[in-house]
Amino acid sequence: EDQVTQSPEALRLQEGESSSLNCSYTVSGLRGLFWYRQDPGKGPEFLFTLYSAGEEKEKERLKATLTKKESFLHITAPKPEDSATYLCAAARDSNYQLIWGAGTKLIIKP
Amino acid sequence: EAGVAQSPRYKIIEKRQSVAFWCNPISGHATLYWYQQILGQGPKLLIQFQNNGVVDDSQLPKDRFSAERLKGVDSTLKIQPAKLEDSAVYLCASSAHAGGDEQYFGPGTRLTVT
Repeated sequence: EDQVTQSPEALRLQEGESSSLNCSYTVSGLRGLFWYRQDPGKGPEFLFTLYSAGEEKEKERLKATLTKKESFLHITAPKPEDSATYLCAAARDSNYQLIWGAGTKLIIKP
Repeated sequence: EAGVAQSPRYKIIEKRQSVAFWCNPISGHATLYWYQQILGQGPKLLIQFQNNGVVDDSQLPKDRFSAERLKGVDSTLKIQPAKLEDSAVYLCASSAHAGGDEQYFGPGTRLTVT
């Protein structure tokens, strides 16, 4: 069965303390791996799409990477405004439906 | 560019009552999605429209949920009758194409069924 698992469920960091979030996926025929950010009371906001193993994308303090089994969202020197829930989702090649993980709640303390 | 609009933002109803949610996607976006998000979980796709046709409704509880997209633009999602387990945030999203690419989400409607 296709599934996406994110870890950890929650992560507390001090401002400036770099870390990584993990997204493991089991999808037959991956079309793309997506990262979204969700703030409380809002809908998810698109961050990145990765299409092939070895691909990397960056945006400000965030960098997403992809292997054949997992994706990482690296956050470098985070700030309190980076606090949010980060969701990853995998798109099947067959029907393009997104399979979502449960998210990692990131809290950055000043 | 205006984002995805949803209304209402919050709704409280009693079980067995009916409720309807409205969504206006980004202008020109052909694909519209309705998701259900329960606290602490990722979004669950309920239905996907391509223009005004249904692409995927395999996870829509059709005995109580219905959705339509008139003229390929606005969409409404209805629940009748509501159950306690329907308490969740209902998210509408749109994308330019049907390929699962970048989706733009509205703020959601938080439904509480008592």
